[in-house]
Amino acid sequence: GAVVSQHPSWVICKSGTSVKIECRSLDFQATTMFWYRQFPKQSLMLMATSNEGSKATYEQGVEKDKFLINHASLTLSTLTVTSAHPEDSSFYICSAADGYTDTQYFGPGTRLTVL
Amino acid sequence: GNSVTQMEGPVTLSEEAFLTINCTYTATGYPSLFWYVQYPGEGLQLLLKATKADDKGSNKGFEATYRKETTSFHLEKGSVQVSDSAVYFCALKDSGAGSYQLTFGKGTKLSVIP
Repeated sequence: GAVVSQHPSWVICKSGTSVKIECRSLDFQATTMFWYRQFPKQSLMLMATSNEGSKATYEQGVEKDKFLINHASLTLSTLTVTSAHPEDSSFYICSAADGYTDTQYFGPGTRLTVL
Repeated sequence: GNSVTQMEGPVTLSEEAFLTINCTYTATGYPSLFWYVQYPGEGLQLLLKATKADDKGSNKGFEATYRKETTSFHLEKGSVQVSDSAVYFCALKDSGAGSYQLTFGKGTKLSVIP
């Protein structure tokens, strides 16, 4: 089946620093990727939709200047959390849409802890 | 707008028990329906899907049938194992071409005890 990877799987950083998370579709091309945030014991919250070669579309309430998304190729999207603060600590999950199967496939997630 | 309603958890079952997790949806047109599973500390894995009415998705002993008349997509398994302990998410996707955004239910946590 389709595989999506994320890197890193976990990261700890100091408050005020920036962190970049990579999401790759390994065996298919994804014109559309998604970024989600998941709080403990809760469902996924869609943060933004990323389309290859164009600007991301952010959901209401998500700060686009804080959560920078780049989708430079058909297999790679990145999420950069800028000037991270402890309240940004969360589990971030990406997904990639496979147009051939019309299905979203998810990465394994990245646990971000901001001290 | 679209919405997905799942039965509230947590659900605790003994090994080899029968599992049903209810899922109903509200959507216009003919959405595609999915079940995803999330094991502790991991991302979501596609468990099964169905794209049109009366389709049955199945995988790893789990199955769900797309019922348009009752707008439901209930997940079932005849005999659960401890390794099935996870959170299960029901989701739908609009039928429009190029539309990939998913609407998720809140998730149902399943614990299977030996």
